[in-house]
Amino acid sequence: DGGITQSPKYLFRKEGQNVTLSCEQNLNHDAMYWYRQDPGQGLRLIYYSQIVNDFQKGDIAEGYSVSREKKESFPLTVTSAQKNPTAFYLCASSTGTGGRTGELFFGEGSRLTVL
Amino acid sequence: KNEVEQSPQNLTAQEGEFITINCSYSVGISALHWLQQHPGGGIVSLFMLSSGKKKHGRLIATINIQEKHSSLHITASHPRDSAVYICAPLPNYGGSQGNLIFGKGTKLSVKP
Repeated sequence: DGGITQSPKYLFRKEGQNVTLSCEQNLNHDAMYWYRQDPGQGLRLIYYSQIVNDFQKGDIAEGYSVSREKKESFPLTVTSAQKNPTAFYLCASSTGTGGRTGELFFGEGSRLTVL
Repeated sequence: KNEVEQSPQNLTAQEGEFITINCSYSVGISALHWLQQHPGGGIVSLFMLSSGKKKHGRLIATINIQEKHSSLHITASHPRDSAVYICAPLPNYGGSQGNLIFGKGTKLSVKP
């Protein structure tokens, strides 16, 4: 079945360590997104990519990095520069890019806790 | 000032009741998504609409672009409908779904 797979589901790290969250999709979507969710707040966009080898910063990109070397994969690295990395991270993809909109598909999320 | 306001924030209903969740936004939009987030955290897209009304099973979504308002209705609610429902308009100044703005969600609990 087609879908988005995020891993790991839960991750614990010490302060100062970089961590990479995986996001893979087999939906053949061009557009992929990373969101952060904190309690009591709406989803906030970290980075998005509309095509392979291209990505744009979202509203809260500081302390994060991404790559888009393959259409299927959009990993997110939470660097030691991110001041408050403990959060729930969601990856999504969509059929729409640019001026076109499309249905959004989400992964199950990754919960990162920094000790 | 929040660009997206959802009401109510929390809603408790008895099984079988008709549910309405409202979403108001302050910007011009080209489309609006309704999303469902389960207790485990995963999110499912319910609807994407840009005008009128859409129906899927017991779920109905409506939008009034002029009034900047959308509603999500659940008929004959069931405990399995218990989830957080999120409204996400797409502003028409951006053109990309990277510009989606998200409401804080409405937490629905349906009691048997």
